[in-house]
Amino acid sequence: KNQVEQSPQSLIILEGKNCTLQCNYTVSPFSNLRWYKQDTGRGPVSLTIMTFSENTKSNGRYTATLDADTKQSSLHITASQLSDSASYICVVSEQTGANNLFFGTGTRLTVIP
Amino acid sequence: EAGVAQSPRYKIIEKRQSVAFWCNPISGHATLYWYQQILGQGPKLLIQFQNNGVVDDSQLPKDRFSAERLKGVDSTLKIQPAKLEDSAVYLCASSASRAARSYNSPLHFGNGTRLTVT
Repeated sequence: KNQVEQSPQSLIILEGKNCTLQCNYTVSPFSNLRWYKQDTGRGPVSLTIMTFSENTKSNGRYTATLDADTKQSSLHITASQLSDSASYICVVSEQTGANNLFFGTGTRLTVIP
Repeated sequence: EAGVAQSPRYKIIEKRQSVAFWCNPISGHATLYWYQQILGQGPKLLIQFQNNGVVDDSQLPKDRFSAERLKGVDSTLKIQPAKLEDSAVYLCASSASRAARSYNSPLHFGNGTRLTVT
């Protein structure tokens, strides 16, 4: 069964600190993995995307990694800011005729001053 | 470019009433999606349109939910009659690509309509 699991469910960190969010998936055959940021009351916004041939991708202070062998991805946030407070959703797509995206339940990050 | 527009932002109704949500995608985006996001969960696909045709509605509860995109631009999602478990955020997304897995064309989401059924 195709699934995407994220951990932790929620996280509170101090402003300026780093953090890492995890995503494990069982989606097969794998096409790509995308991280989205969802601010409260807003729709998700794409941060990064990686295929099996890309094991790291950066977008400013956000760095995503992918290990296609172990089917794990992480999102590392450096020098966190209050504006990083949001839910981060991992989305995995499969390489088949079906047009399926598999969404994780997200990690709720709160950055406090 | 203007983003995906949705209205209303909030809606509170009683169970068994009907409700409709509206979405205007990014100009030129042929593919439009409706997702249901229950609190604390990831979005769940309800229906996908390619222009004015339905590509996938396999997870749409057709006994109570309906959606249309008559002119291939804006779209309406309706629930009739609503149940308590329909309380959720309804997100509309659009894409320049037919394939949701497209590398270069991510889904662009609107800010959603938060529905509360009492």
